[in-house]
Amino acid sequence: KAGVTQTPRYLIKTRGQQVTLSCSPISGHRSVSWYQQTPGQGLQFLFEYFSETQRNKGNFPGRFSGRQFSNSRSEMNVSTLELGDSALYLCASSDQGGVTEAFFGQGTRLTVV
Amino acid sequence: AQRVTQPEKLLSVFKGAPVELKCNYSYSGSPELFWYVQYSRQRLQLLLRHISRESIKGFTADLNKGETSFHLKKPFAQEEDSAMYYCALFYSGNTGKLIFGQGTTLQVKP
Repeated sequence: KAGVTQTPRYLIKTRGQQVTLSCSPISGHRSVSWYQQTPGQGLQFLFEYFSETQRNKGNFPGRFSGRQFSNSRSEMNVSTLELGDSALYLCASSDQGGVTEAFFGQGTRLTVV
Repeated sequence: AQRVTQPEKLLSVFKGAPVELKCNYSYSGSPELFWYVQYSRQRLQLLLRHISRESIKGFTADLNKGETSFHLKKPFAQEEDSAMYYCALFYSGNTGKLIFGQGTTLQVKP
């Protein structure tokens, strides 16, 4: 079974630009969650999608958005990038969400210059 | 507010020594707690969860509701245990929100 795949692995963007990150969950998984990982703040929850619906959202500004497609693939978008958005963005999938095991991707390293 | 605290950023022990990685949580409901591990250059993966009461790679963790703790223990550390360990609290309902601690780097010296 293929694992969670995130693309691209690395990105360098300029302040003010926007970026879209992609996550392909494990086949059959319907829940996709996104996390931001930084040295200062650790792992912070961004949002979770289940069957194309956002079920939960963390405390991030509206510049951070996401969506999920009918095949459970998910994208997250960050508009008007700021230097502080530089981070590793992790995606996790699980079959139902809830307390079922979350499987993580390798992440997308975003650098904003 | 829901919170997970891992007080140690770095824990360094010698091979064969006992290991205890501390985790304390703050949560008003009935907690569901996990330990995730990230080995060098690998993705974050589940190590164990308290509801299954498993022992994985010799690690165990007991939920102590009185002390609001979920410490991870292993009686004899191995060099291959060197990694970053995260304690995580599942936040209510049927959504997939995990609240992570800041993580503890375990360094096992030969």
